[in-house]
Amino acid sequence: AQTVTQSQPEMSVQEAETVTLSCTYDTSESDYYLFWYKQPPSRQMILVIRQEAYKQQNATENRFSVNFQKAAKSFSLKISDSQLGDAAMYFCAYTLSDDMRFGAGTRLTVKP
Amino acid sequence: GAGVSQSPSNKVTEKGKDVELRCDPISGHTALYWYRQSLGQGLEFLIYFQGNSAPDKSGLPSDRFSAERTGGSVSTLTIQRTQQEDSAVYLCASSLRPYEQYFGPGTRLTVT
Repeated sequence: AQTVTQSQPEMSVQEAETVTLSCTYDTSESDYYLFWYKQPPSRQMILVIRQEAYKQQNATENRFSVNFQKAAKSFSLKISDSQLGDAAMYFCAYTLSDDMRFGAGTRLTVKP
Repeated sequence: GAGVSQSPSNKVTEKGKDVELRCDPISGHTALYWYRQSLGQGLEFLIYFQGNSAPDKSGLPSDRFSAERTGGSVSTLTIQRTQQEDSAVYLCASSLRPYEQYFGPGTRLTVT
């Protein structure tokens, strides 16, 4: 079974600084997809970034980038120039094709 | 365009009552997913519909839970004889491509 582990229940970052959220996963597959979702207090799950496992290049979306280490089964999210609006729960997720497996989440606090 | 919508936003029910939660997916999306998110936890997969195929019910926690999708669009998640441990946020997602899910705002269910 595929599992996703987020070892940091809570993280804190100063506004304008950089923070990295960790995620590891377990799979025997070679082709799969990894995601980071953001969930603000509104409960709406928002897709932040997606990585296809067959791509070696790390995905980047503006201030958000990932460090994808396939052999180590690691998928961390780096948020640069943190903003107050980045405060939320962040979930790492894995999918092979259909159902998606989520980690327990990391609560990010941004200090002004 | 319109995103995934869910109703009601909040539902309070007495233990033992039946509840129905509704999900309206994005128009044209062939896949629909239900997840449960208990307080402070990640998302737990419940059920998945893809087109006209038989749904993947592997995540349903008990036979009190059921779901249907009418006409390949709207879906209803039904919980019979609700228990206090059913209290959670129930999230629905839809997708056109299997690896890109768009989430609704969720229904917060409280069983008293």
